[in-house]
Amino acid sequence: DAKTTQPPSMDCAEGRAANLPCNHSTISGNEYVYWYRQIHSQGPQYIIHGLKNNETNEMASLIITEDRKSSTLILPHATLRDTAVYYCIVRDPYGGATNKLIFGTGTLLAVQP
Amino acid sequence: KAGVTQTPRYLIKTRGQQVTLSCSPISGHRSVSWYQQTPGQGLQFLFEYFSETQRNKGNFPGRFSGRQFSNSRSEMNVSTLELGDSALYLCASSLEVLNTEAFFGQGTRLTVV
Repeated sequence: DAKTTQPPSMDCAEGRAANLPCNHSTISGNEYVYWYRQIHSQGPQYIIHGLKNNETNEMASLIITEDRKSSTLILPHATLRDTAVYYCIVRDPYGGATNKLIFGTGTLLAVQP
Repeated sequence: KAGVTQTPRYLIKTRGQQVTLSCSPISGHRSVSWYQQTPGQGLQFLFEYFSETQRNKGNFPGRFSGRQFSNSRSEMNVSTLELGDSALYLCASSLEVLNTEAFFGQGTRLTVV
């Protein structure tokens, strides 16, 4: 079972920041937080991951709370092309000799013009 | 560089038939995972291969099988197809087994009639 909880859907106005929350209250010390997104009828796309520090790349920023029980993915200037289902996943990338990803139901982000 | 290539993109099969799907990972990637996506169950892990060995297997019946070749290309096979096998089948490749990022293909849309 997925170890994360996300709202089923969110709306965001084009050009504004999209803040997608994720709860992972049972996260263990070795587990990272990953974000993927899936645009309709395409394969999931990796966005970003982090352990405990905030992370930023060209796509997004990831803010992880100090207790690591929740995180927020931030798309700073959402565009219509960011409309997708966003998945928050926790996993230990260095243990268990597996790349298995356990997807939850994700958040459908609808960017409105 | 070329991404993950899955063939065919679309397939229609009849109940009771079998089907083989193909996945070519990114050049140099040695880990390949397969996922099934349906509206009811979401994205579910099928199995994972690394260096021609199955490393992990999801909770699917024995009708679902796979293999990986020495060039890292992978195939999955579903025998005795059922209507419920209709789904988007996704392949993901990673550089190594213990790795932080998975790259997904566009998937194969299988329809069983």
